[in-house]
Order: sequence, then C-alpha cells, then structure tokens
Amino acid sequence: SSELTQDPAVSVALGQTVRITCQGDSLRSYYASWYQQKPGQAPVLVIYGKNNRPSGIPDRFSGSSSGNTASLTITGAQAEDEADYYCNSRDSSGNHLYVFGTGTKVTVL
Amino acid sequence: QVQLVESGGGLVKPGGSLRLSCAASGFTFSDYYMSWIRQAPGKGLEWVSYISSSSSYTNYADSVKGRFTISRDNAKNSLYLQMNSLRAEDTAVYYCARLDGSGYLGDYWGQGTLVTVSS
Repeated sequence: SSELTQDPAVSVALGQTVRITCQGDSLRSYYASWYQQKPGQAPVLVIYGKNNRPSGIPDRFSGSSSGNTASLTITGAQAEDEADYYCNSRDSSGNHLYVFGTGTKVTVL
Repeated sequence: QVQLVESGGGLVKPGGSLRLSCAASGFTFSDYYMSWIRQAPGKGLEWVSYISSSSSYTNYADSVKGRFTISRDNAKNSLYLQMNSLRAEDTAVYYCARLDGSGYLGDYWGQGTLVTVSS
C-alpha cells in the first residue's frame, strides 16, 4: 500500500506562517485531507479536496498540492493551532483503501 | 448537530474478540459511507475499514483483513466493528468517522473508545 510522509515536527512563531508537507505517490492522483488533533481529543478535519475548509475552520488554514506533495499552510499561527496534523488520501494501488500520513507536531512559540 | 458515539471498548486477552458500536445522530445515517480509524497509544492515525451506505461494499486495511468485520444497521443508525483474533498490536483508541459525499474521510468523528489487548 501507499505511504504518506510528513516531517515529525515543526515550530512557528506566534503570528507567523508555517507550511506542513505530505509526500506520497497517491497524491499525484488524489487530493489530500488534513486533520488537526489536540491531546486527548478526536481529530478534526481542517482542509479537504483542492482547498476546502469545513464550516467553522478559520481561513488562516489553506491547502495546496503539486506533484506528489500536498501542503497545509497556517497563515498567522495562533496559540490554539499547536497540535498534531495528519494528512490522508486514498491509496494509489487501485484497491480503494485510505492511508494516513505519519503526522507533524506543530509548536507555536 | 452530527454526533457519533462509540462504545464497546475494554480489556481483552490476545486471541479474544470484541464488538465495537457507534451510534449516529443528527444526520441521515443511511445516506453516508462510514469508517473506523484507530490510533495506538502515542502513535499516529491508521485507517481500519469502511462500509458503503447500503452495506453493499466494504474494505479493510491489510493489518485487519480476515480478522475484523465492519457492518451497519441503518434502522438503528448504528455502525459496528467485530474484532476477532485480537493481538497486542490492535491496542488503540478506535474512532468511527463519517465519509463526506465526495469520499473524503472524517468530516465528523466520534470521541473514540479504547481497546486494550493484554494478558
């Protein structure tokens, strides 16, 4: 099955911009979804498709994609954005499976 | 509002079985594909299985294929995961999640139920 690789950790100064990347062959065929997970809580969908935000997600979250890489950008990071972030897409094997990225811990300084 | 509430987790011995349930409310359950996703302690998310809205199609991660069975009862607005031949590596919080109309996973998630496989 496919794999999606993320950097384990990134840090960003309060109010600055951070980009989180997700790499994998399946991203050449499918858009990624992105999830935010805070300690002890269930994940929350923040971006899906080309660059769609569910209702209630701040517009400082945006998504993009190029080749085998999907990116989640937080523009003007807030303290409450400190969390783990996971990407997800369908598997490229044709078996209609799903795969999650390895996760990125975002620290807001 | 959409609510997903999992139940049925607990402590089970290796080789044992457990059935998880997910009660859905706040939306027309029978219109949506549903999925199970798990997270081992301190680890990342792992997709486990999904089922189509009418139960006609199911799919599983290789790690659980042949041991886990997903099912649903649209009359009861409920999703299930029957887990057999459990192993220590199945220890995780199990979340149920809805797939949106375009097939994106997890537009809504439950709070999860913990399954611990240990002797």
